[in-house]
Amino acid sequence: GEEVAQTPKHLVRGEGQKAKLYCAPIKGHSYVFWYQQVLKNEFKFLISFQNENVFDETGMPKERFSAKCLPNSPCSLEIQATKLEDSAVYFCASSQFAQVNSGNTIYFGEGSWLTVV
Amino acid sequence: DAKTTQPNSMESNEEEPVHLPCNHSTISGTDYIHWYRQLPSQGPEYVIHGLTSNVNNRMASLAIAEDRKSSTLILHRATLRDAAVYYCILRVLSHSTLTFGKGTMLLVSP
Repeated sequence: GEEVAQTPKHLVRGEGQKAKLYCAPIKGHSYVFWYQQVLKNEFKFLISFQNENVFDETGMPKERFSAKCLPNSPCSLEIQATKLEDSAVYFCASSQFAQVNSGNTIYFGEGSWLTVV
Repeated sequence: DAKTTQPNSMESNEEEPVHLPCNHSTISGTDYIHWYRQLPSQGPEYVIHGLTSNVNNRMASLAIAEDRKSSTLILHRATLRDAAVYYCILRVLSHSTLTFGKGTMLLVSP
């Protein structure tokens, strides 16, 4: 598609429950990124993929968080045993290339709002 | 990673030009200067980027200081739709990710 599509838009989970978010990148884009935005302005990079391979996972919490990008399927971000502090907007983004060059920008989806109660 | 400093907020009137400043005194020679904005309840949106020379596109202009330690995003005629948080980001050549700071919240009044 022509835009990064994220589902669901809103998700409410009780503490300890699992949450799974999905992302379909723009067609033709090889790189997928996940970001977490807690409060209004604080963005945190979580993980990126080059096709189905993990490209950079330096921001990914070691426990409870996992992500996948499988062929012919939307990418997913899963949080096991959610905690109150996981409440945030999770943004998926995609780009055609990883390297910074004059033609490469990152396109973001509208986000998935996770509320843990 | 080199950091950027932006004012927390700025105000403008509709139809007037807006100059959003960004300081990046520790920028390295291969860092690109990117600007993204986030409208309410939406994901970040690319605005413009540059390396050394000033840049223009349909959305805005980017003026980069000669020493590259600061830059200014220029919206030539602000509209209500331009009310957003604007992020000035240094994108390292060897890294693929964006590192967001706190940004500047732009308020536009009719």
